[in-house]
Amino acid sequence: DTAVSQTPKYLVTQMGNDKSIKCEQNLGHDTMYWYKQDSKKFLKIMFSYNNKELIINETVPNRFSPKSPDKAHLNLHINSLELGDSAVYFCASSHGSRKAFFGQGTRLTVV
Amino acid sequence: SQKIEQNSEALNIQEGKTATLTCNYTNYSPAYLQWYRQDPGRGPVFLLLIRENEKEKRKERLKVTFDTTLKQSLFHITASQPADSATYLCAPTLNTGFQKLVFGTGTRLLVSP
Repeated sequence: DTAVSQTPKYLVTQMGNDKSIKCEQNLGHDTMYWYKQDSKKFLKIMFSYNNKELIINETVPNRFSPKSPDKAHLNLHINSLELGDSAVYFCASSHGSRKAFFGQGTRLTVV
Repeated sequence: SQKIEQNSEALNIQEGKTATLTCNYTNYSPAYLQWYRQDPGRGPVFLLLIRENEKEKRKERLKVTFDTTLKQSLFHITASQPADSATYLCAPTLNTGFQKLVFGTGTRLLVSP
């Protein structure tokens, strides 16, 4: 059983398009995150949700809109994609902020 | 502002030696510190957590120290193996009520046979 699963694994799209990435965790965790890892490999936090409520928004452009329909799901919708959005996006979950489990990542390529 | 620093240069060591990775942080007081391992093309995997009142923690060949005075954690892998080659990330973390998990830049470890 996959603890944190995100789909799709790969996403290639044109500039200006809108796309979504989905994430689900079956660990019963109360906190979920989205991270962006760029070509320099730095893992940067984007959003943090606790019990479906947005806790952290790290100065991410408002083209990025997370949505948490319930505690087990955190989706990321991106409008008007730009070249600079190309990266690997990771979803993660944890109890509080301890011992996080990560998904396998979504490699987004904007052309 | 809060800062987390890890050696950006890769650490190259020979199999069987002890690898020591450093994590320094400034401008905050974490209640605990976590270490994760990331392999290419995969998400980070949790390894160890050490609390501020613990000086040292061990798990198999891994040892972590936490010095709140120096604002530093050291991560040791003894008897290193080529399979230990990966990027290691530290995450000094505030109390559990603060749901923000922020990582250092990571240090790439290369263990050669």
